[in-house]
Amino acid sequence: GDSVTQMEGPVTLSEEAFLTINCTYTATGYPSLFWYVQYPGEGLQLLLKATKADDKGSNKGFEATYRKETTSFHLEKGSVQVSDSAVYFCALSALRSGYSTLTFGKGTMLLVSP
Amino acid sequence: DSGVTQTPKHLITATGQRVTLRCSPRSGDLSVYWYQQSLDQGLQFLIHYYNGEERAKGNILERFSAQQFPDLHSELNLSSLELGDSALYFCASSVAQGRTDTQYFGPGTRLTVL
Repeated sequence: GDSVTQMEGPVTLSEEAFLTINCTYTATGYPSLFWYVQYPGEGLQLLLKATKADDKGSNKGFEATYRKETTSFHLEKGSVQVSDSAVYFCALSALRSGYSTLTFGKGTMLLVSP
Repeated sequence: DSGVTQTPKHLITATGQRVTLRCSPRSGDLSVYWYQQSLDQGLQFLIHYYNGEERAKGNILERFSAQQFPDLHSELNLSSLELGDSALYFCASSVAQGRTDTQYFGPGTRLTVL
């Protein structure tokens, strides 16, 4: 079945550091890939997505590139801020019998200190 | 604000009881999804409805059921509650049900079973 593996957290960084959160997936066919962010006490917000190989999703300084050859969708940001502290979820959506659902990784907590 | 609303925000109840969680999708969205988020299981897909019809079931217990009404709002019914049912329950909506459709999440209902 489909699965998503993310690096375990927490990831602890100082403000303005470079961020990478690794995400790899297993799926048959051609999934779409997503990064969602969950701030404390809130629901999940879409951060970015990519729907086909070599697509780059980007939003708010975050980027991720859909790499089919390595089945990866790593999240990067050049300079993190304290306000980026949250839990980040990698997810895939694949078509199965005419419908699709999201399969999530376990989430990676990011803590950014001033 | 994703445009997806969920009520109530918090629910505290006792074992053996039955509760109903309500979700209103974004205007124009036909698909509604339910997810359960717990510390040990992570984010798990429960069930998907599209335009009033059940389309997919995930790890949903037989004690749980859902429906989507003609006005497209959805309810998740949880019965014979157990301590292990304590979790955050999220509803998400999307325009259709394809693999590229973004799911927008509500703020969640936190269920505590005592």
